[in-house]
Amino acid sequence: QITLKESGPTLVKPTQTLTLTCIFSGFSFNTSRVGVGWIRQPPGKALEWLALIYWNDEKRYSPSLKSRLTITKDTSKNQVVLTMTNLDPVDTATYYCAHEGFYYGSGSYDNWGQGTLVTVSS
Amino acid sequence: QSVLTQPPSVSGAPGQRVTISCTGNSSNIGAGYDVHWYQQLPGIAPRLLIYGNSIRPSGVPDRFSGSKSGTSASLAITGLQAEDEADYYCQSYDSSLSGHWVFGGGTKLTVL
Repeated sequence: QITLKESGPTLVKPTQTLTLTCIFSGFSFNTSRVGVGWIRQPPGKALEWLALIYWNDEKRYSPSLKSRLTITKDTSKNQVVLTMTNLDPVDTATYYCAHEGFYYGSGSYDNWGQGTLVTVSS
Repeated sequence: QSVLTQPPSVSGAPGQRVTISCTGNSSNIGAGYDVHWYQQLPGIAPRLLIYGNSIRPSGVPDRFSGSKSGTSASLAITGLQAEDEADYYCQSYDSSLSGHWVFGGGTKLTVL
């Protein structure tokens, strides 16, 4: 059974850096073709894809946020970390991490964390 | 403004069939990239309904089906039930700007 859970601060000040951690179980980056992505959703708005990291350390980023995002993994800890710099109130959203399923590069997420709400406010 | 366009809302009575469209362009759906569909009930994480244009993951009822043609894709729901009331999102890969995944703007399904 695959599970994922996000953790991080609930309130961040503008211009600060956000660090979110996704801890997962039921799969491992030691297995080829494994990928974990981050998706966010502002309150009342649509999903937005942010970033993805694969077992081989291949990384993909949203072009509009690429300069502000860094995704890393810790294989031994079954963790993925997303860092976003220079936060703004428009970054207020629920942030999800999710497991890429079915085939490498599919971009389809078959298991999701519960999400963590991050509010950016002074 | 997403590159994948969905109608903001659709509705139908219990038992009816509804479809939700997802229109892209030659950089995403029209380039042959797969389309995936998600259902999101209020306050919870999205659930994958369809992947690879038309494949249902285990546990998804066969009332849900997906199709793709040209630069568009569609999600069809037959035998509409009250519990189908939710937001639905399409997703695909876009080859522009070094390549990335994109979601549609979402469609709110109301069961009358």
